[in-house]
Amino acid sequence: DGGITQSPKYLFRKEGQNVTLSCEQNLNHDAMYWYRQDPGQGLRLIYYSQIVNDFQKGDIAEGYSVSREKKESFPLTVTSAQKNPTAFYLCASKGRGPYNEQFFGPGTRLTVL
Amino acid sequence: AQSVTQLDSHVSVSEGTPVLLRCNYSSSYSPSLFWYVQHPNKGLQLLLKYTSAATLVKGINGFEAEFKKSETSFHLTKPSAHMSDAAEYFCVVSESGTGGFKTIFGAGTRLFVKA
Repeated sequence: DGGITQSPKYLFRKEGQNVTLSCEQNLNHDAMYWYRQDPGQGLRLIYYSQIVNDFQKGDIAEGYSVSREKKESFPLTVTSAQKNPTAFYLCASKGRGPYNEQFFGPGTRLTVL
Repeated sequence: AQSVTQLDSHVSVSEGTPVLLRCNYSSSYSPSLFWYVQHPNKGLQLLLKYTSAATLVKGINGFEAEFKKSETSFHLTKPSAHMSDAAEYFCVVSESGTGGFKTIFGAGTRLFVKA
């Protein structure tokens, strides 16, 4: 059963702590993306990767870090430098070519206590 | 420059009546256009996509959209709304450029369906 998974579904963090959100896909997609969604707002791009061992900053990369050591995995670390990390985080993947859509995971809701 | 504008932040319809969610875009090249739906606390699901073939695109759950190049629009419609259609809808444009493909999401339109 192909798809994209994110874990955990809910995550609570104390201020000053780093946390890592998992994203795994078995769709054999080259490109993967991380988005942040705040209440009543659209998606904002944090980081993206078009190929293994390479990634680029999106529009709101400050306070976040990523790695892409395997094609299937694209974990996102929310560092203590991110001043307002409480949000819904969505991971997506996409096959090559302009006509392919992004496939989204179910999301992780991060709450800073 | 590439951009997407969803003309309504909220749309409210009665069950059984037509749905119209409006989307205008700007693109330097021939874009690919998508509509996604998001239910609360869920990921986004693709409804339909336009990829330079037929201008009238049919999607899942009875939705369809028409690509109108002269109007730079890609409005989403459904003949008869169902309560389960209540959700957030995103219009998305994707085009190739320097450095690869760029994808822009609209701000979203929340659809309310009244019984």
